[in-house]
Amino acid sequence: LAKTTQPISMDSYEGQEVNITCSHNNIATNDYITWYQQFPSQGPRFIIQGYKTKVTNEVASLFIPADRKSSTLSLPRVSLSDTAVYYCLVGDEGGSYIPTFGRGTSLIVHP
Amino acid sequence: DTAVSQTPKYLVTQMGNDKSIKCEQNLGHDTMYWYKQDSKKFLKIMFSYNNKELIINETVPNRFSPKSPDKAHLNLHINSLELGDSAVYFCASSQVQGSSYEQYFGPGTRLTVT
Repeated sequence: LAKTTQPISMDSYEGQEVNITCSHNNIATNDYITWYQQFPSQGPRFIIQGYKTKVTNEVASLFIPADRKSSTLSLPRVSLSDTAVYYCLVGDEGGSYIPTFGRGTSLIVHP
Repeated sequence: DTAVSQTPKYLVTQMGNDKSIKCEQNLGHDTMYWYKQDSKKFLKIMFSYNNKELIINETVPNRFSPKSPDKAHLNLHINSLELGDSAVYFCASSQVQGSSYEQYFGPGTRLTVT
């Protein structure tokens, strides 16, 4: 399975920009990078997905360098309701497109 | 108008019993998944079906048997439950399989084996 590495936890304050980086050194050539958000007692929720460069939607931005060995989820101006666990997801290293979640980053936003 | 629904939400049972969890999606997706999330919040894929055909089976004990009667439903049957089966089980669906991992998850079923 692909190995992804994320920080275990992060703290921020309301109104700040938060950047969470995931490393995926052995990502398969055709794989996308996907990020999910999970609140307690709920299922993960799709946030954003990209293949290369930069992707932006109404919720977040995703930055992917040219070598695609890492990706950074950027949350602009976080609020208390952004407190959640954020997972990055890529496929397995064998290229069989088996979705493989990272361990997740627990983000706590303080007032 | 729940997109992906699971029943039951909570399941408490004793070791050795057999239980089932049901999942339904009304998104018209072709692919459905079962994931297990353990107490440390690690999410691991168990199975995936595409148009009722099993396409991913990830080193899961054969006590776990998925069944897909049609592409909108994917049920999970577990035989001879063990303490280690206690976890939250999530069903998910996606429009496509392959390198795009945009999935929609259900609310989860918390299974407690005593």
